[in-house]
Amino acid sequence: DIVLTQSPDSLAVSLGERATINCESSRSVLASSNNENFLGWYQQKPGQSPKLLIHSAHTRASGVPDRFSGSGSGTQFTLTISTLQAEDVAVYYCQQYYAEPLTFGGGTKVEIK
Amino acid sequence: EVQLVESGGTLVQPGGSLRLSCVASGFTSSSHWMNWVRQAPGKGLEWVAIIKQDGSEQHYVDSVKGRFTISRDNTKNSVYLQMNSLRVEDTAVYYCASGAGFLIEYWGQGTQVTVSS
Repeated sequence: DIVLTQSPDSLAVSLGERATINCESSRSVLASSNNENFLGWYQQKPGQSPKLLIHSAHTRASGVPDRFSGSGSGTQFTLTISTLQAEDVAVYYCQQYYAEPLTFGGGTKVEIK
Repeated sequence: EVQLVESGGTLVQPGGSLRLSCVASGFTSSSHWMNWVRQAPGKGLEWVAIIKQDGSEQHYVDSVKGRFTISRDNTKNSVYLQMNSLRVEDTAVYYCASGAGFLIEYWGQGTQVTVSS
């Protein structure tokens, strides 16, 4: 199974500042056939179901603000919130869809400092 | 607007059975892989099972293999999760989720399953 390790477990960031979350995969999720990374990022606000933010490691889902960006390839990935807003308080998860069993990272809780 | 609505969650005793249902609307669910993902109280997300568009392929997380069965009825835009031999550690909110491939794009609001004596 592909294990995803997120860091940090939690972080507190001031409004308007940058938040960075890392996700390390136990093996590459880069498909050689199309050079696509099968890695997504989800946001889960308190009491809500998860929402897709980023797919293919760096492509924003429809309607996602451009302050959210994804980067990385192979086994190392990053989600960046460029200017944190109050509504961004949530737990963020990375997920690989390269192979089953599909797996999620442990989550990173983002709070306001 | 895409909607996934789960139902069937309840309190059940260890060793019991339960069937969850999910009805899709706002898109042609027969064009999507369908998943069940669960979240234990205060914990992270755990993928449980997935079924191909035509139902010809299913995959499960190891912890539920032999106990859970995912199925679908495209005439009803529905997917199901039959859960047998339930354990206390199966207690969670169960989400129905879908996507064009293995990528999960849409999520339901979830249904609570509690396994307790």
